[in-house]
Amino acid sequence: DAGVIQSPRHEVTEMGQEVTLRCKPISGHNSLFWYRQTMMRGLELLIYFNNNVPIDDSGMPEDRFSAKMPNASFSTLKIQPSEPRDSAVYFCASSSGTPFLLNEQFFGPGTRLTVL
Amino acid sequence: AQSVTQLGSHVSVSEGALVLLRCNYSSSVPPYLFWYVQYPNQGLQLLLKYTSAATLVKGINGFEAEFKKSETSFHLTKPSAHMSDAAEYFCAVEAAGNKLTFGGGTRVLVKP
Repeated sequence: DAGVIQSPRHEVTEMGQEVTLRCKPISGHNSLFWYRQTMMRGLELLIYFNNNVPIDDSGMPEDRFSAKMPNASFSTLKIQPSEPRDSAVYFCASSSGTPFLLNEQFFGPGTRLTVL
Repeated sequence: AQSVTQLGSHVSVSEGALVLLRCNYSSSVPPYLFWYVQYPNQGLQLLLKYTSAATLVKGINGFEAEFKKSETSFHLTKPSAHMSDAAEYFCAVEAAGNKLTFGGGTRVLVKP
């Protein structure tokens, strides 16, 4: 298996632009997570899907952020409009766990976002 | 609510010396605990996990961690550091709902 795939690996954009990050989870995994990593705040869980349904989006910073999972093999995290403080590394992770059964989360390589 | 504290954001060890990374947690329910490693420009990789079986957990690359309920700790150790161990290490707790809460991370530097 290729593991969790994220694209793009690097994104540089200007303030106010829309940014879309993409994730393909490991085949057969039914849970998907979006994390953000910054020097100031460390690793933060943004949103968690199980069977394509958002279970917990309490970590989504504000309305500028939205995430979708239209099917089991694809998810997007969108920021519109982007701001310099959104600059971070965004990780996608997947697992075969459920809200009641823990399983290892496998992380993608991340997308490094820079908003100028 | 659960939380994780990693003592020391940076640790420097000599090659061949003991690696000790400290992690303390708080949780209102019996926790599942994890150590992840992050190499430069990569995602996180699971080193080991505690899920209420044996209190001493062995992981990959020669690492192990001991769960001590009385101390609410889950410290990570490796008897002999290797240059390839230079990375950032994260302790995480999962108490419910398959959600992980991460500590702030400890960056390990290995000196030759």
